[in-house]
Amino acid sequence: QKEVEQDPGPLSVPEGAIVSLNCTYSNSAFQYFMWYRQYSRKGPELLMYTYSSGNKEDGRFTAQVDKSSKYISLFIRDSQPSDSATYLCAMSGGFAGNMLTFGGGTRLMVKP
Amino acid sequence: EADIYQTPRYLVIGTGKKITLECSQTMGHDKMYWYQQDPGMELHLIHYSYGVNSTEKGDLSSESTVSRIRTEHFPLTLESARPSHTSQYLCASEKQGTGELFFGEGSRLTVL
Repeated sequence: QKEVEQDPGPLSVPEGAIVSLNCTYSNSAFQYFMWYRQYSRKGPELLMYTYSSGNKEDGRFTAQVDKSSKYISLFIRDSQPSDSATYLCAMSGGFAGNMLTFGGGTRLMVKP
Repeated sequence: EADIYQTPRYLVIGTGKKITLECSQTMGHDKMYWYQQDPGMELHLIHYSYGVNSTEKGDLSSESTVSRIRTEHFPLTLESARPSHTSQYLCASEKQGTGELFFGEGSRLTVL
């Protein structure tokens, strides 16, 4: 079993929809949680960064971490065609060290 | 915007050729990484470095080698390329103490 699980999708939604992307993990030592966005044929770029449990909001994006359930989410409000990309969760920290462990990525398609 | 650069972006070569993929960053980051990613697939760590003169193998076995003579430079070399090496290679550097990775645009290698 992988340390970080992520549904590969693809997830197809209409423009304006609220999107929920999720990851589960097994290592309770993780403390730092990130979401990366990767457009086709490009390198991943950091989208959201959170420490420990709680919520973080940045514009249309909200990251949630529930350490008790080992579950993290990324919500995208008012989704746009430009949000079409692969979203990768990543986590590190604590006894797991600072080496990032990535999920496999979820491919999102937002249709106009 | 991240200051990490990879060259070449695209490379098509014949079997048996020696190739070097270049990666440079101007952020002064000590830790650097090489990932391999096939289209639509997850990231696999193949090499990393904690700093000058430090190189380590990653989770995925790779026939490539790396060197770290200068902080800003982390090239990857394939002595004799084979079709099985066809993939995208992504270089990244880590912001000190946070686990945040900054990725280059990637080098897409095709070996005929």
